[in-house]
Amino acid sequence: SQTIHQWPATLVQPVGSPLSLECTVEGTSNPNLYWYRQAAGRGLQLLFYSVGIGQISSEVPQNLSASRPQDRQFILSSKKLLLSDSGFYLCAWSARVAQPQHFGDGTRLSIL
Amino acid sequence: EDQVTQSPEALRLQEGESSSLNCSYTVSGLRGLFWYRQDPGKGPEFLFTLYSAGEEKEKERLKATLTKKESFLHITAPKPEDSATYLCAPRGNLIFGKGTKLSVKP
Repeated sequence: SQTIHQWPATLVQPVGSPLSLECTVEGTSNPNLYWYRQAAGRGLQLLFYSVGIGQISSEVPQNLSASRPQDRQFILSSKKLLLSDSGFYLCAWSARVAQPQHFGDGTRLSIL
Repeated sequence: EDQVTQSPEALRLQEGESSSLNCSYTVSGLRGLFWYRQDPGKGPEFLFTLYSAGEEKEKERLKATLTKKESFLHITAPKPEDSATYLCAPRGNLIFGKGTKLSVKP
C-alpha cells in the first residue's frame, strides 16, 4: 500500500532563517506531488505541484520554492522566511490530477 | 474563475441529529467531485468520489450526492466521532472549499 511521510511535524523558526520541509511517498511510481498551505479561515492554498522529476509548477508568487530531486521526494524550501509564512503545510500525492489526493500529516510552521 | 463554496462554515449538532452540508461550485467542465474529512492537526482524508450528476455514495453515517451545481454530504444520526472538518474539491481542479467544521455533542 502507498504511504506518505512528511517531516518535521512542528517547526519554530526565526524570521529570515532558511526552510526545508521534506515529503516522501512509498508504494507508487511517478506520482503527482503537491504542496499546500492551510491558514485558519482561508482553506487549502495550492503552492506547488509536480507531475515528474524536475517539473515544478508554481501557483502562488512568494518567497518559497519547491524541488523534486527524486521520483517520490518533494521538498519545500525558502532562503529567508517571513512572518507571513507561518501556517500548516501539507504534502499530498495522487496517481493523476483527476484522482483523489492523499495527504501527509502536515508541518505546523511558526515564525518568530 | 473557478470557485467552490461550502456552507455552513460551522455546524453544531446533538448526537443523533441528522443534517446536511453543502458544497456549491462554479467550475467549467466539472468532471466530478471529491469529499474529504480533516481531523484537527492532520491532513485531509479522502472519503468519496462522485463522478456525475445523480450519483450517490455512502459510508457508514455519511451519504454524498451530486447535482450539476452542488453536492450535499448528508449525515444521519451522527456520533461525536464524526466531528471533523469536511472539505469538498472538484475533480481535476486542484482547488478546495474552505470546509464545514462539524461538531457533534453527546
